[in-house]
Amino acid sequence: TQLLEQSPQFLSIQEGENLTVYCNSSSVFSSLQWYRQEPGEGPVLLVTVVTGGEVKKLKRLTFQFGDARKDSSLHITAAQPGDTGLYLCAGFLGGYQKVTFGTGTKLQVIP
Amino acid sequence: GAVVSQHPSWVICKSGTSVKIECRSLDFQATTMFWYRQFPKQSLMLMATSNEGSKATYEQGVEKDKFLINHASLTLSTLTVTSAHPEDSSFYICSAQSRTGDSPLHFGNGTRLTVT
Repeated sequence: TQLLEQSPQFLSIQEGENLTVYCNSSSVFSSLQWYRQEPGEGPVLLVTVVTGGEVKKLKRLTFQFGDARKDSSLHITAAQPGDTGLYLCAGFLGGYQKVTFGTGTKLQVIP
Repeated sequence: GAVVSQHPSWVICKSGTSVKIECRSLDFQATTMFWYRQFPKQSLMLMATSNEGSKATYEQGVEKDKFLINHASLTLSTLTVTSAHPEDSSFYICSAQSRTGDSPLHFGNGTRLTVT
């Protein structure tokens, strides 16, 4: 059973549209990270959220950590072709636990 | 800062041969390095956790005798795929942490392995 489920799995939209990616779990995380990975490259950290209900903005990207710290969302406003990539959430349970990656969301933004 | 270099980026080898992949943290000391395998359009699958000077911890289902991991220093970890088979073909990625816990993972650019 996957600890972190992302939805949707795949999303293809036109440039300028908005979208939201969800990361859900039944576990409580002490922190959660979002990464973006482009083809043939390693993931790159976008943000870390640590407080329940926290909202962080990174230009056109808005990240929210659920109040109960079991879920998170990533909202992209006015998507651009440069946003294309695989988006991964990663949760940290605390202590000496490893970071656990979500199932991933493949985003394609069409010019 | 926090650059991780992975080498080679692309390798083709014949069945039965071994391939070594290097992961180096260039500007920080990595207490822990992780090795992942990734299939097309899928998420990262953790294979093993590597700590400097100690044996790697392998995830369930990963053959430790086939995927040899050596973490010789605080800046270098290697993954050797021994007696490679076509089913080992995949994208292998390493990541490094400067400290344990939820400190950011810094990823290498991955190695595309094709076994013919």
